[in-house]
Amino acid sequence: AQSVAQPEDQVNVAEGNPLTVKCTYSVSGNPYLFWYVQYPNRGLQFLLKYITGDNLVKGSYGFEAEFNKSQTSFHLKKPSALVSDSALYFCAVRVNNRKLIWGLGTSLAVNP
Amino acid sequence: DADVTQTPRNRITKTGKRIMLECSQTKGHDRMYWYRQDPGLGLRLIYYSFDVKDINKGEISDGYSVSRQAQAKFSLSLESAIPNQTALYFCATSGPSSTDTQYFGPGTRLTVL
Repeated sequence: AQSVAQPEDQVNVAEGNPLTVKCTYSVSGNPYLFWYVQYPNRGLQFLLKYITGDNLVKGSYGFEAEFNKSQTSFHLKKPSALVSDSALYFCAVRVNNRKLIWGLGTSLAVNP
Repeated sequence: DADVTQTPRNRITKTGKRIMLECSQTKGHDRMYWYRQDPGLGLRLIYYSFDVKDINKGEISDGYSVSRQAQAKFSLSLESAIPNQTALYFCATSGPSSTDTQYFGPGTRLTVL
C-alpha cells in the first residue's frame, strides 16, 4: 500500500536554530512530493513541491526540502526558525495522477 | 478576494439534521475535493470531482453526499448529521496534472451535538 509517514508528531526548536520536519514515503512509481502548512484556525497553504530535477527545492517563507530517492524521504528544512513558523506541517505524495496521499502532520513549536 | 471560499465557516447543529457545506472557487480549476480533518488523523478525502459530470467517493464517503453544481461550485451534504461527524471540513481545488498543487479553502468547523 502506498503511504506517507511523518515520524514525529511534534518538533520543538528554539528560535534561530535550524529546523527539520521529516517525511518518508512508500509508493510505486515516480513520486511528486508536496509540503503544506496549516496555521491555527486557517486552511492549508502550499509551501513547496518536488517534481523533477534538482533534489533541493526552495519554497515559501524560507523553507526548503530535499528529495532523497534512495532513502525515500522529503524532509522539510529551514536554516533559522522563527516563532511565527509554529504551525502544523503536512507532507503529501502523488503518483501517476492519482489522489494525494497525506501524512498525519507534524506540529512544529518554535520557542522564543 | 480568496480563490477558494467556504460557507459557513462555523456551524453547530443537532443530531439528525441535514447540513450543507458550500465551496466556491475562482481559480478556474476542474478538480475539486472535500476533506475532513480530525486531530491525530490528518486529512481524509470524502469525495472528489474531476469535472462537473465526474464525482467519486473518497476514503470516508459514508454519511456524506456531494453536488457539483458548476465548475466553480462543489457542495457537501450531511443527510442526517451524527456527533462523530464533528470535524473541520476543507474544500480544495487543483488543475488536471499530477504536478498541480491543491489549493485549500479556509475550512468549516462543524459541531454536531
